[in-house]
Amino acid sequence: DVKVTQSSRYLVKRTGEKVFLECVQDMDHENMFWYRQDPGLGLRLIYFSYDVKMKEKGDIPEGYSVSREKKERFSLILESASTNQTSMYLCASSFRDRNSPLHFGNGTRLTVT
Amino acid sequence: GDSVTQMEGPVTLSEEAFLTINCTYTATGYPSLFWYVQYPGEGLQLLLKATKADDKGSNKGFEATYRKETTSFHLEKGSVQVSDSAVYFCALSGTGGYQKVTFGTGTKLQVIP
Repeated sequence: DVKVTQSSRYLVKRTGEKVFLECVQDMDHENMFWYRQDPGLGLRLIYFSYDVKMKEKGDIPEGYSVSREKKERFSLILESASTNQTSMYLCASSFRDRNSPLHFGNGTRLTVT
Repeated sequence: GDSVTQMEGPVTLSEEAFLTINCTYTATGYPSLFWYVQYPGEGLQLLLKATKADDKGSNKGFEATYRKETTSFHLEKGSVQVSDSAVYFCALSGTGGYQKVTFGTGTKLQVIP
């Protein structure tokens, strides 16, 4: 079974802190994604990566950056956390085939105070 | 760009009722279409998919048919159970250069005994 593991289930940070969200997958997937999920807005793509060291901006990249140094790991970085980044963050991975479904982690609930 | 529109929720049904959740999309070419389900406290998981026009995806009693002429992928189930209570997301994987997946806003289903 594919496993996508997000490092934290709940996280509370202060405004202005640098925040790292980590995601690891064990299925040798080429693609990895970061989404945020907010009530009434569904899932919005922040960044995705189709290969090691490669990244593409999604629909809402402002205030975020990513890092993919190894194939299995994709990190989301909030350079200076703000209260409007309080959200549920979901990591996903897939093979590089548009018919291949995404496999999701269980999410990280981030609260910025 | 690509977009997915699904019916607003929440939807409340009695056990054994018939379920339809509408989903329409806008995309160039022939995207692949997916339904994902999110149970409370979990990430999303694939429910079913269809990769070309007139394909029918099915799983766990749920079905959806890829209708190119109406750009729709409505989710149906003949008899819902309490255990089907969850949030359902329609999604498409576009035909662009990178595998970008676009989600609808989600429809919450509550099934009451």
